[in-house]
This record gives sequence, structure tokens and C-alpha cells, in this order.
Amino acid sequence: AQSVTQPDIHITVSEGASLELRCNYSYGATPYLFWYVQSPGQGLQLLLKYFSGDTLVQGIKGFEAEFKRSQSSFNLRKPSVHWSDAAEYFCAVFVGQAGTALIFGKGTTLSVSS
Amino acid sequence: EAGVAQSPRYKIIEKRQSVAFWCNPISGHATLYWYQQILGQGPKLLIQFQNNGVVDDSQLPKDRFSAERLKGVDSTLKIQPAKLEDSAVYLCASILAAGLPEAFFGQGTRLTVV
Repeated sequence: AQSVTQPDIHITVSEGASLELRCNYSYGATPYLFWYVQSPGQGLQLLLKYFSGDTLVQGIKGFEAEFKRSQSSFNLRKPSVHWSDAAEYFCAVFVGQAGTALIFGKGTTLSVSS
Repeated sequence: EAGVAQSPRYKIIEKRQSVAFWCNPISGHATLYWYQQILGQGPKLLIQFQNNGVVDDSQLPKDRFSAERLKGVDSTLKIQPAKLEDSAVYLCASILAAGLPEAFFGQGTRLTVV
């Protein structure tokens, strides 16, 4: 069965420091990959997505992610974190066949310290 | 373009009562999902519709949960009777087609069962 693992439950980063959130997936072929962000009491906002092509994808709010097939990973990065980036981040996988759905990881909570 | 609409935004009920949530997906989106997001966890798929047919309801607790999408447009999710552990945010999402898997999420309905 397909699965998504986000190994870090909670990460604290100083404002202005760089950020990397890890995501690993389990699936035989290359899935569609997504990162979502959720602020408290808010819905899910799509940060970026990978369907095919260039393995480094750019998203909104200065985020980027790199797909590494050999490691089954899709890690999210940001060079300089802002206090407003504090939120819950979810990695998700879509296996690209009819009758399947987005499978989410358990999420990583990002705290930003001043 | 209007987004995915959900109502109500918040609901508080006593255990053993019934409750219903409504979702209107983006116009033309054939696939609709209901997810349950318990506090501190990633969204978990409850049911997937393709037009007005159920594609996957394997994780729907059918003894108490039901869902329908009668005309292939809006959808209703019902819980009867509710249990304390049903307290969660219920998210509705839609995608245009399986080959275009970018999902659009509604704001969710936060259910509290007391």
C-alpha cells in the first residue's frame, strides 16, 4: 500500500535560518507529489507540486522542493524562514490512477523562534 | 473561479446526536473526496466519489457514517449517531479528473462532539 512518511513531528527554526522538511513515500512508480501548508483554523493551501520533468520545483512563499527518485523523497526547503511560516506542513502523494486519492503524511509542525 | 464550499464551518453536538455536512465542489470537477482530520494528524480519506458513484469508501465507518452525491455535484456527509472520537475537521476536496490530480480543498467543518 502507498504511504507517506514525515519523520519530523515538530521542528523549531530561528527566523532567517534555512528550513528543510523531510518527506518519504512508498510507491512502485513515480507518483504525483505535493506539499500543503495549514495554519491554525485554516484550510489546506497548496505550496507546490511535482508531476514530472525538472526535479526541483518552485512554489509559493519562497518554498521549493526536490524530488529524488533514488531516495523516494520529496523534501521541502526554504532558504530563509519568516515568522509567518509557522504552521503545519503536509506532504501528500497521488498515485495517478483513476480511483485513487491523495494520501497524506502525518504532518510536521514548524515553529519559528525570534 | 469559486472554490470548494463547505458548510457549516463549525458544529457542536452531543454524543449520540446526528449531524450533516455539505460540500459544493468546483464546477465541473468530477471527483470529490471527504477527509477526516483529527487534531494533530494528517487528513484521512473517508470516501471518494466519481460523479455520483462511490469509488472508494473502504475507510468510511459505515455503521455510523454515510455520504451521498446524488446529482454528481454537491455532496452530503452524515454521522449518526456521533461519538466523542468523531471530533475532527471534515474536509471536502475536488479534482477535475484523475489525470489532473491537483486537489482543491474547502475550509472544512470543525465538529466537536461533547
